[in-house]
Amino acid sequence: GIQVEQSPPDLILQEGANSTLRCNFSDSVNNLQWFHQNPWGQLINLFYIPSGTKQNGRLSATTVATERYSLLYISSSQTTDSGVYFCAGMEYGNKLVFGAGTILRVKS
Amino acid sequence: GAGVSQTPSNKVTEKGKYVELRCDPISGHTALYWYRQSLGQGPEFLIYFQGTGAADDSGLPNDRFFAVRPEGSVSTLKIQRTERGDSAVYLCASSPRQGAPFGQFFGPGTRLTVL
Repeated sequence: GIQVEQSPPDLILQEGANSTLRCNFSDSVNNLQWFHQNPWGQLINLFYIPSGTKQNGRLSATTVATERYSLLYISSSQTTDSGVYFCAGMEYGNKLVFGAGTILRVKS
Repeated sequence: GAGVSQTPSNKVTEKGKYVELRCDPISGHTALYWYRQSLGQGPEFLIYFQGTGAADDSGLPNDRFFAVRPEGSVSTLKIQRTERGDSAVYLCASSPRQGAPFGQFFGPGTRLTVL
């Protein structure tokens, strides 16, 4: 099966700081998504990004498919950014395989 | 517009009982997925529907688990003879179609507790 690895496993930031989360994935992953799971458990779709770079407000993501990694950038972090960030690889158009997640805590 | 909805939001049952969990996908989405998330872990795939048929049920842990989607919209996940190890959050997701370049959109989940 496909492999998805995330780093770091957890991260504590001071409000206003920037951060980069990394996701490494195996050869058979052909699409990638980033999610934020808020403290209430809701999984929020951040980016669908099989390759290239996308930006949405303070968040951006870059996937380098040829080197099998993706990065999620959070700038000017806010306390509402706290939660767990997951990347998930999709194999041939159906199921997602999730990484273990990065637990982010932003302190005010 | 309305997102994916799941009912109930919480379900507490006793070991050995039967439960049904419901998922209403985003209107017009033909692909529907069930995942299970245990505490401290990422979601794990259970089953995927394209239309009314189960296209991939390789993630169902055993034959106590079954899911249906009779009219290609609402889906029900059924668990027979529940065990304490079935306790988890059950998540449903939908997508416009298999492999659509929009990704999967998740519902709020049903938290199942088996006593």
